[in-house]
Amino acid sequence: EPEVTQTPSHQVTQMGQEVILRCVPISNHLYFYWYRQILGQKVEFLVSFYNNEISEKSEIFDDQFSVERPDGSNFTLKIRSTKLEDSAMYFCASRTPQTGGALYFGSGTRLTVV
Amino acid sequence: QKEVEQNSGPLSVPEGAIASLNCTYSDRVSQSFFWYRQYSGKSPELIMSIYSNGDKEDGRFTAQLNKASQYVSLLIRDSQPSDSATYLCAVNDRESSGDKLTFGTGTRLAVRP
Repeated sequence: EPEVTQTPSHQVTQMGQEVILRCVPISNHLYFYWYRQILGQKVEFLVSFYNNEISEKSEIFDDQFSVERPDGSNFTLKIRSTKLEDSAMYFCASRTPQTGGALYFGSGTRLTVV
Repeated sequence: QKEVEQNSGPLSVPEGAIASLNCTYSDRVSQSFFWYRQYSGKSPELIMSIYSNGDKEDGRFTAQLNKASQYVSLLIRDSQPSDSATYLCAVNDRESSGDKLTFGTGTRLAVRP
């Protein structure tokens, strides 16, 4: 069964460093998302991406965040200068119109900022 | 601000019982509703979707939707210890240009052997 893959599974970084989280969405999916989940809290929307551009972003997704689809398969989230409060699980998700709006999530990257 | 409300639990049921999980949402125009299961430290896994009023059954799971009351529920019949997880209710945002889902905080279910 096709799945969304994310790498790395765990990343530890020093405050102020840049990190890139990588995702390979399901191959025929057209809509891509990043969500995050701080430990013990809800799954929060960060950004959606369609047709090679951001379609929507949340208040969390400030100038420190960017997304890119550098080729036909990868979808990346970059955090330019990490803060302690960026520590969370980051989930990539994708969908097509045929999924009826349901999102399919990758296994996540646990980001720890020290 | 669109809200999705769930009781955080834990909801504790004995093995073999019916677990009933509830969710209310604030956006009256929402059209698509989803239940995800999330094991500790793992990602959300889609288990049910429902789009119209009434019941939808899939194996041991039944989703129920009442748009007039802005209420969606999930019943798990013959609960098993492997069903112990957090169940997330998610609702689409019709005003969202990215068609995002808004998640509740989740209800933690514990099934006692």
